[in-house]
Amino acid sequence: DAKTTQPPSMDCAEGRAANLPCNHSTISGNEYVYWYRQIHSQGPQYIIHGLKNNETNEMASLIITEDRKSSTLILPHATLRDTAVYYCIVRVPYSNYQLIWGAGTKLIIKP
Amino acid sequence: SAVISQKPSRDICQRGTSLTIQCQVDSQVTMMFWYRQQPGQSLTLIATANQGSEATYESGFVIDKFPISRPNLTFSTLTVSNMSPEDSSIYLCSVRTASYNEQFFGPGTRLTVL
Repeated sequence: DAKTTQPPSMDCAEGRAANLPCNHSTISGNEYVYWYRQIHSQGPQYIIHGLKNNETNEMASLIITEDRKSSTLILPHATLRDTAVYYCIVRVPYSNYQLIWGAGTKLIIKP
Repeated sequence: SAVISQKPSRDICQRGTSLTIQCQVDSQVTMMFWYRQQPGQSLTLIATANQGSEATYESGFVIDKFPISRPNLTFSTLTVSNMSPEDSSIYLCSVRTASYNEQFFGPGTRLTVL
């Protein structure tokens, strides 16, 4: 199973774009990249996922490099409520939909 | 999306006792999972709850310690047996529906064992 590497923590000013990097250099061709976040004392929340094309939804954008070895989650206008731990996960295919969780990035949005 | 509720939301228990955590989903789901999140740590999958049959446990977790039931497509329970302080964690129920690609999580049960 591919593993991911994320910086342990990041700061971002409120109203600015938050760019969270993730390395997944051993990802296989049919594995997707998923992003979740966990706000303090809550269960994880799905944000976005992608295979190889860039994706955008109402919460965020996901940019995946052409070689698929890394990706960046972009929160375009960060607010204080975006302070959370952000997890980049590579999905294990055909294995009971198991998500392998790393340590994540603690993102702190500062006023 | 699926709305998941867990009971209790938190509990403080004595060493040697057992606690059963309930997970209720507002719609039928294909798969249900139980995770543990120890203080300051990431999530660890305990087991996949299978409807009408024994749960599938991950390495390091056994049925005697974490018995799981799933009597139907919307409900599951996880029991933490013979608790010790090392079992103090947040326990999370998670589901996947047939129509959505993402996985949904309940609010968690915060367990403290004294």
